[in-house]
Amino acid sequence: QVQLVESGGAVVQPGRSLRLSCAASGFTFSSYAIHWVRQAPGKGLEWVAVISYDGYNTYYADSVRGRFTISRDNSKDTLYLQMNSLRAEDTAVYYCARPYGGNYNSPLDYWGQGTLVTVSS
Amino acid sequence: EIVMTQSPATLSVSPGDRATLSCRASQSISSNLAWYQQKPGQAPRLLIYGASTRATGLPARFSGSGSGTDFTLTISSLQSEDFAVYFCQQYKTWPQTFGQGTNVEIK
Repeated sequence: QVQLVESGGAVVQPGRSLRLSCAASGFTFSSYAIHWVRQAPGKGLEWVAVISYDGYNTYYADSVRGRFTISRDNSKDTLYLQMNSLRAEDTAVYYCARPYGGNYNSPLDYWGQGTLVTVSS
Repeated sequence: EIVMTQSPATLSVSPGDRATLSCRASQSISSNLAWYQQKPGQAPRLLIYGASTRATGLPARFSGSGSGTDFTLTISSLQSEDFAVYFCQQYKTWPQTFGQGTNVEIK
């Protein structure tokens, strides 16, 4: 069955960096674009970034562009989110999510369980 | 950026009753709308896409309607497992945006 498992969440100080991972299984990872979506504590969902199936195209929310980098290793079925210059407002549960049918602009039919990033001094 | 506005913020419903949730887009998104359900401590779950197509395995008591800017999620007879937060999402244009959610609680 389709599984997405995030890891790497931690408590970090403002200005520091962190890398999240998302391990995929149960489907042909290299055929799908994959998204990162985050949710601040007690708040709604915010789309963060997406990467094409082959890694050549990436898109970012304005709130993270220039600080976050999405990447993937199709040989390892793994997605990454490199987060630099972290701010308190980046505190959230970060989910990786697969779009239905594999295209960028599709609803998200499978989600990981999320990993918590807390930015605090 | 397209703003998605959900109403009401909280909906108090008795088990067995009908629940109607609304979602409005700040500009037309055709039928590029999805609904998600989220329970405490869990990831969102896709319920409806294309405004009205049920995800695989979703009970028929859930239905979606609308197009353009106004959309509705209806749960015809609420079961105990349906009490949760529901989000709408537009995926017509970048960035994809979500509504702020409707909390369906037990009355």
